[in-house]
Amino acid sequence: GENVEQHPSTLSVQEGDSAVIKCTYSDSASNYFPWYKQELGKRPQLIIDIRSNVGEKKDQRIAVTLNKTAKHFSLHITETQPEDSAVYFCAASKGGSYIPTFGRGTSLIVHP
Amino acid sequence: NAGVTQTPKFRILKIGQSMTLQCTQDMNHNYMYWYRQDPGMGLKLIYYSVGAGITDKGEVPNGYNVSRSTTEDFPLRLELAAPSQTSVYFCASSPPGLAGQRGETQYFGPGTRLLVL
Repeated sequence: GENVEQHPSTLSVQEGDSAVIKCTYSDSASNYFPWYKQELGKRPQLIIDIRSNVGEKKDQRIAVTLNKTAKHFSLHITETQPEDSAVYFCAASKGGSYIPTFGRGTSLIVHP
Repeated sequence: NAGVTQTPKFRILKIGQSMTLQCTQDMNHNYMYWYRQDPGMGLKLIYYSVGAGITDKGEVPNGYNVSRSTTEDFPLRLELAAPSQTSVYFCASSPPGLAGQRGETQYFGPGTRLLVL
């Protein structure tokens, strides 16, 4: 089955810096890649997603890039703010499966 | 829309007790899921359902049961609670995807925090 590796497990940055979280996947049939943000004590919520027919997608300070050849996708957060502090999960899905495969999460800490 | 709702928010169980975690969604989503999240860890799939009357096991189904009698409701039953079931439980739902994609964005409920002592 699909395997999703997420790195790093913890990322500490200063406010205003950029943060990059990377995920690799094993199944070349995967074609949908969402990113979820989970604030402390809250539920995971979708922040951005990308499909396999697109190489990059942006939404204000966040962006996701996809490299299908290398089978990896990354979340980029620019001008980080303390409210970006949370756990971020990547996931991968393919057309024939009902079940997404989640990465293990990255704890992002933004220091004021 | 209320989205995905879960009850209770928090519960303490004694070892060997049973309980049902309730999950309801009002988005008419076909697919529903139960996950558990242990402290500092990721999401592990317990059970999922692709429609009323259809359920299937996920990664960690032992000690749990589910039913799906309606599109809206997907309760999770814990029988004979054990300390290893101490966790936060999230219910999620998902609509059918574009162009036949089966699973897409997951919409999570607020979670139920369970402590088994």
